[in-house]
Amino acid sequence: DTGVSQDPRHKITKRGQNVTFRCDPISEHNRLYWYRQTLGQGPEFLTYFQNEAQLEKSRLLSDRFSAERPKGSFSTLEIQRTEQGDSAMYLCATTPGQGPETQYFGPGTRLLVL
Amino acid sequence: DQQVKQNSPSLSVQEGRISILNCDYTNSMFDYFLWYKKYPAEGPTFLISISSIKDKNEDGRFTVFLNKSAKHLSLHIVPSQPGDSAVYFCAASAITGTYKYIFGTGTRLKVLA
Repeated sequence: DTGVSQDPRHKITKRGQNVTFRCDPISEHNRLYWYRQTLGQGPEFLTYFQNEAQLEKSRLLSDRFSAERPKGSFSTLEIQRTEQGDSAMYLCATTPGQGPETQYFGPGTRLLVL
Repeated sequence: DQQVKQNSPSLSVQEGRISILNCDYTNSMFDYFLWYKKYPAEGPTFLISISSIKDKNEDGRFTVFLNKSAKHLSLHIVPSQPGDSAVYFCAASAITGTYKYIFGTGTRLKVLA
């Protein structure tokens, strides 16, 4: 399978714990995006990377959230001191990185904060 | 500020008939639009896109129409099939911007057999 992969697919945690999600992009895709989706809403942009550089962060991304993409390959999204409001589907998408393009999404990580 | 709006939360259509899903946007800088289909517990799957230099793009049963003056696009599915039942999202991006994609809230399509 050469699509976008995400790990884990599901995560249940207690409020106050830290969680980390991983996204592996399609090979040679330079741009990588993180989105959050809650029930009844479309994916909301969180942040995106061009190779290893994080080029934009949404106002939605509080200081408890941090994302990295070392070496411009896989990316991690960490949420510190989780809150119940963080419960959502976290989606990763990638594109080749040459202008406006189709984004290819991974299956998502569903987070439930108890 | 919802820059991309899908005002119909749900739509039911008989199998074999046409499904028309609508999307409106407010930002005149948007010039690239996509439609995605999403099944429960899966990531969105790309369906079709259109650039602002076109007003129509077809791919099999799927056609997207863009009306720039009205800031409106629509997705036509003909003929509709039960397997098309899913949530459909439109998304928009500005070529001259940061390549960030803004999504609508989705329309749940149910195709009745």
